[in-house]
Amino acid sequence: AQSVTQLDSHVSVSEGTPVLLRCNYSSSYSPSLFWYVQHPNKGLQLLLKYTSAATLVKGINGFEAEFKKSETSFHLTKPSAHMSDAAEYFCVVSFNFNKFYFGSGTKLNVKP
Amino acid sequence: EAQVTQNPRYLITVTGKKLTVTCSQNMNHEYMSWYRQDPGLGLRQIYYSMNVEVTDKGDVPEGYKVSRKEKRNFPLILESPSPNQTSLYFCASTPLDGQETQYFGPGTRLLVL
Repeated sequence: AQSVTQLDSHVSVSEGTPVLLRCNYSSSYSPSLFWYVQHPNKGLQLLLKYTSAATLVKGINGFEAEFKKSETSFHLTKPSAHMSDAAEYFCVVSFNFNKFYFGSGTKLNVKP
Repeated sequence: EAQVTQNPRYLITVTGKKLTVTCSQNMNHEYMSWYRQDPGLGLRQIYYSMNVEVTDKGDVPEGYKVSRKEKRNFPLILESPSPNQTSLYFCASTPLDGQETQYFGPGTRLLVL
């Protein structure tokens, strides 16, 4: 069975400090992996994606993620948090372009 | 402007009264999908469609129907809504170009009394 686990439901950081949002997946297949962001009362926007090319993926707004097959992880990082990064983040897995599986989400709070 | 539109954006209804939420995209995408979002559960896929007249169940299809008669439209039908279908619903479209990027609509907030 395929599944996605976001290890933290809430993460709180201070502005200017690093961000780490963790995601692990389980799958028998080679996945495509995505991070989406949802700002309050807004739709979802793609941050970045891994589709079997480079394992270190750079996205918008300074975010990046590294695909580690041995650890079945796809953690999202940013060197320096900004107030505008406060949002909910979703890790998403897809297999053979069939179904998409979302993690339960991580709410990022950024303190001044 | 390339976009996915949903209507209505907000809907309050009563148990058992059939309703349809429309979804339309102008990007000529083959793949379309419906999700529901509930607190603490993320988004769960209800139905998806790989192309016209091709639909399949996602993880939570019970109580929902879809159709794909035209490439641009993918309506979600609740034949007999129940309170447990109160949720935030998102439609998404995706091109079959190997990139698998989903483009989401603005969401429809449904309350079933």
